[in-house]
Amino acid sequence: DTEVTQTPKHLVMGMTNKKSLKCEQHMGHRAMYWYKQKAKKPPELMFVYSYEKLSINESVPSRFSPECPNSSLLNLHLHALQPEDSALYLCASSQELAGPYNEQFFGPGTRLTVL
Amino acid sequence: AQKVTQAQTEISVVEKEDVTLDCVYETRDTTYYLFWYKQPPSGELVFLIRRNSFDEQNEISGRYSWNFQKSTSSFNFTITASQVVDSAVYFCALRERSGGYQKVTFGTGTKLQVIP
Repeated sequence: DTEVTQTPKHLVMGMTNKKSLKCEQHMGHRAMYWYKQKAKKPPELMFVYSYEKLSINESVPSRFSPECPNSSLLNLHLHALQPEDSALYLCASSQELAGPYNEQFFGPGTRLTVL
Repeated sequence: AQKVTQAQTEISVVEKEDVTLDCVYETRDTTYYLFWYKQPPSGELVFLIRRNSFDEQNEISGRYSWNFQKSTSSFNFTITASQVVDSAVYFCALRERSGGYQKVTFGTGTKLQVIP
């Protein structure tokens, strides 16, 4: 199984709402990632988890809160977002954080619109 | 600092034509990894290939081929006999091997449109 799944596929939320994005992989990968992608731009790294611990936070605003409940799941909790946070949010996983065979496998993304 | 340049913003070809997507990278590391990803309109980034810096052997996979030239810091991607399903944005990416965590740097992407 080489699949990363993400739910929901689409999400529309107001600036006062609280919502969560979910990501799951069953490839036994120990590193998981959140990326944000604006239209016509490459993905931008937000967070990296390795062995369920937060390894990298790319100076992301606190209105985005990641969580890794177990090795297969990755959540992104959203609160008090701004319209400029509207984007495609991509989850990815790789075998390990470091090492030669670290291609990342991406999920289909959640297209988020903040009104 | 690492950098990936995809100079072609958009390319249009007619179905069955061959097309080459260019990728030029900069890095100070002697060990690094290069990737190509495909992003169709649905949004998912699909991994296509990884190439290690110490392996300059070119690779062919069906209609896809990759030409890695360390001397010119290029990792170009050719699609032979293009099909409409090849229409997507293609990203070249670089991962250096320095320290514990190796951040992936993506190029800005090349949008390929294959016209039937």
